[in-house]
Amino acid sequence: TQLLEQSPQFLSIQEGENLTVYCNSSSVFSSLQWYRQEPGEGPVLLVTVVTGGEVKKLKRLTFQFGDARKDSSLHITAAQPGDTGLYLCAGTSGTYKYIFGTGTRLKVLA
Amino acid sequence: DAGVIQSPRHEVTEMGQEVTLRCKPISGHNSLFWYRQTMMRGLELLIYFNNNVPIDDSGMPEDRFSAKMPNASFSTLKIQPSEPRDSAVYFCASSPGGAYGYTFGSGTRLTVV
Repeated sequence: TQLLEQSPQFLSIQEGENLTVYCNSSSVFSSLQWYRQEPGEGPVLLVTVVTGGEVKKLKRLTFQFGDARKDSSLHITAAQPGDTGLYLCAGTSGTYKYIFGTGTRLKVLA
Repeated sequence: DAGVIQSPRHEVTEMGQEVTLRCKPISGHNSLFWYRQTMMRGLELLIYFNNNVPIDDSGMPEDRFSAKMPNASFSTLKIQPSEPRDSAVYFCASSPGGAYGYTFGSGTRLTVV
């Protein structure tokens, strides 16, 4: 059974700080996605990574896929209150089924 | 496009009652998913449809749960009879398939008392 563990589970930081959240598995994934979910809404796709070692940037967010395609990280530079939310990683081994991680709940204080 | 539309947004029902959740996927998306989200278990896949056909229902908790997709623009998830442990947020998501991500609806928050 594929499992995706995210760390930390909870993170509370001040505006302007940098942070990194991690997504780890013992399984190899053919692609991995990151979503952000705000209260009362569904998850929204941020990025998809498919190549080992791949790095993608989305404004202040930097996503990296591990060389072995078993892990990923999300780094946020100069966090803002608008970054507050639940961050979810989701991986697939090539089928239609994406397995979602346990989530990191981020709160950025003004 | 209006995105994935779910109704109702909130549902409160008594134990034993039938509950029907509705979903309209994005036009042109041939994959549709029903997920359940709780604090304890996170996001769990309940069922997956491809081109209106149920492909994988291994996540459906038990026979009380059923899902249909009579056409490309509509799907329902039914719980009969409902139980308090079914209380959760139920999401519908659609996708054009492949490595494309999912577009989620805003969810239905179900409370069974």
